Amino acid sequence: NAGVTQTPKFQVLKTGQSMTLQCAQDMNHNSMYWYRQDPGMGLRLIYYSASEGTTDKGEVPNGYNVSRLNKREFSLRLESAAPSQTSVYFCASSEDSSGSYEQYFGPGTRLTVT
Amino acid sequence: GQSLEQPSEVTAVEGAIVQINCTYQTSGFYGLSWYQQHDGGAPTFLSYNALDGLEETGRFSSFLSRSDSYGYLLLQELQMKDSASYFCAVSDPRDDKIIFGKGTRLHILP
Repeated sequence: NAGVTQTPKFQVLKTGQSMTLQCAQDMNHNSMYWYRQDPGMGLRLIYYSASEGTTDKGEVPNGYNVSRLNKREFSLRLESAAPSQTSVYFCASSEDSSGSYEQYFGPGTRLTVT
Repeated sequence: GQSLEQPSEVTAVEGAIVQINCTYQTSGFYGLSWYQQHDGGAPTFLSYNALDGLEETGRFSSFLSRSDSYGYLLLQELQMKDSASYFCAVSDPRDDKIIFGKGTRLHILP
């Protein structure tokens, strides 16, 4: 099992460019999440999908969109990148969204917007 | 709203015991989780408490007091590899999502 995979691992964008971060899990989990991590800020939830076919906003959704393509895949799109979106992005999955099941995290995508 | 408070940094000596505290404010509450993250790595799950009391897993233990909205992570027999950031997280059944604290950076001195 690969667990949670993310692509790309590193990305540099210019302000205004768009891109999609890909995430896939092979554990048959129902819930998937996108977080961003900035120094001293911990993990902040951008969007989550409690189950296939549903998506909901987290703490910091502005500037992002998501798609739960199927049970395995959950993508994060930046339509017009801004320097404030420079961060490390983590995708995670869990059995459900109750928090009683552990979240499994991908290796992260390190994004720099210039 | 939801908020979690944990110390930003803690320093301890190799072989010693250290406790990392977490207090939370949530409208609803499922349970308290703890995650470890090494520099440059991804967070990994350590423990989950839904009920009051102490849960022990090897050198790590986690405690919860629901009446005090408080929990802690206890690390015993500290090793240099335990140098990492530790995050508490709470889940709220009303919001159906999990919120993380800002993390505690654990420094271990030889």
